Formats: sequence, structure tokens, C-alpha cells
Amino acid sequence: QSVLTQPPSVSAAPGQTATISCFGNRFNIGETYVSWYQQVPGEAPRLLIYDNYRRPSGTPDRFSASKSGTTATLDIAGLQTDDEGDYYCGAWDNSLSAGVFGGGTKLTVL
Amino acid sequence: QITLKESGPTVVAPTQSLTLTCSFSGFSLRTTGVGVAWIRQPPGKALEWLGLIYWTDIKHYSPSLRTRLTLTKDTSKNQVVLRMTNMDPLDTATYFCVHSLGFWSGSFYFDNCGQGTLVTVSS
Repeated sequence: QSVLTQPPSVSAAPGQTATISCFGNRFNIGETYVSWYQQVPGEAPRLLIYDNYRRPSGTPDRFSASKSGTTATLDIAGLQTDDEGDYYCGAWDNSLSAGVFGGGTKLTVL
Repeated sequence: QITLKESGPTVVAPTQSLTLTCSFSGFSLRTTGVGVAWIRQPPGKALEWLGLIYWTDIKHYSPSLRTRLTLTKDTSKNQVVLRMTNMDPLDTATYFCVHSLGFWSGSFYFDNCGQGTLVTVSS
């Protein structure tokens, strides 16, 4: 059971926008910064977003993220088939003094 | 360019201990704010955060693994070692070491990850 909660799956058509939510509590998302990762099957996870909304170099601006209270959201605009994969949110949890991840969301581009 | 690579046994017997080494380049664990963390992923399942060691040698562990997990660093060799005792088949997973950031903002994220190593717990 993951500390952060994500929907198991999300699907959308090419060119559309997909939204993935990540639900936490006041000790993790509520108090610290959220990061997002993309994982293609058979590969290591890759950082997409850090500090709630910042994109590292290499992340296309089609990927955007935000946070409100204890919920974080990742938006992927102009969906491409290459965007298919698993997406994970992560954060620090001040009550656990540990990192935490969501259970992952499988994105399907129909 | 930051690189990390995990090494260690691919099979461990139940009740035995696991020792994995993360060898890295492109950064130093002498640099303030830097850490190396371990995460794992059972086949077909989600990422799980295991532990983190900072440049100061301060360590944080997942509460569920705190009694079984130890992280140590060898700064001169650019290595971090994970030791997990009393291995169980449920510990079968791909283990990743990652370059951890976020210390100054009180958060956690990683920007570089090793390729991972699959460890199977089986007799």
C-alpha cells in the first residue's frame, strides 16, 4: 500500500491532455515538494518534474504540474504514443522522515 | 555526466542477507546537499523508497525496513552499500540506486538513476 494515492490508469487520445492526480496528506504533499517520474516498461524511472512544477532540462513543456493542498496534479498536453508508460509521484514525508511514492498510474494513449 | 550502477548477487536465499553496491561517478558525496538513495520495484509493481544517505552521513530509512536495512558510504571510492538482512521472497525486486536531491528544500527527488539490478529471493 503506497503512502501517496494515484489512479491505477488513465487514458486519452493522441493530441489530447491527460491528467494524473496524486493524493497525500499534510505531512507529505501538504508540507513538502512533489516530484513526478515517467517509467517506460523495462527501463529505469526518469525525472519529469521536481519542486512541484519545475521541469529539468529535457522535459518537454507539454508536461506541467501543480499542487494544491494535499493534492498534486500532472498534466500532459498534446499526447503522443511515446508518452505511454507508468507515471509516479514522489515526495518527502515529514512524519515518516522518509521518501514516499504513489502507486503509479498507467497512461494509455488510445 | 552523472552515472550510477548497482552490483551484487542476483539470487539470495531466504533468511540470508543482501549486500548491494552502488558505484557512481559525476558527483561526490563530499558535496553539500547531495545524497544517494535506494528504491526498489517488485515485478509488475510500484516503486518503493528504501533509504537515503547524505553527504553528512545522516541516514533515513523506510519505517517498514528500518530494522533490516543499513546504508554506508565510502566517499573515497564513490560507493554506497546497501545491506538488508533476513531476506524474504517478498523482497524480490529490481533495486535502483539514485542521485538524490532536495535536501535544501526539505524534500526528496532524484534526477539520475542506475539501470537497476534484479534480486530474486529463492532457495
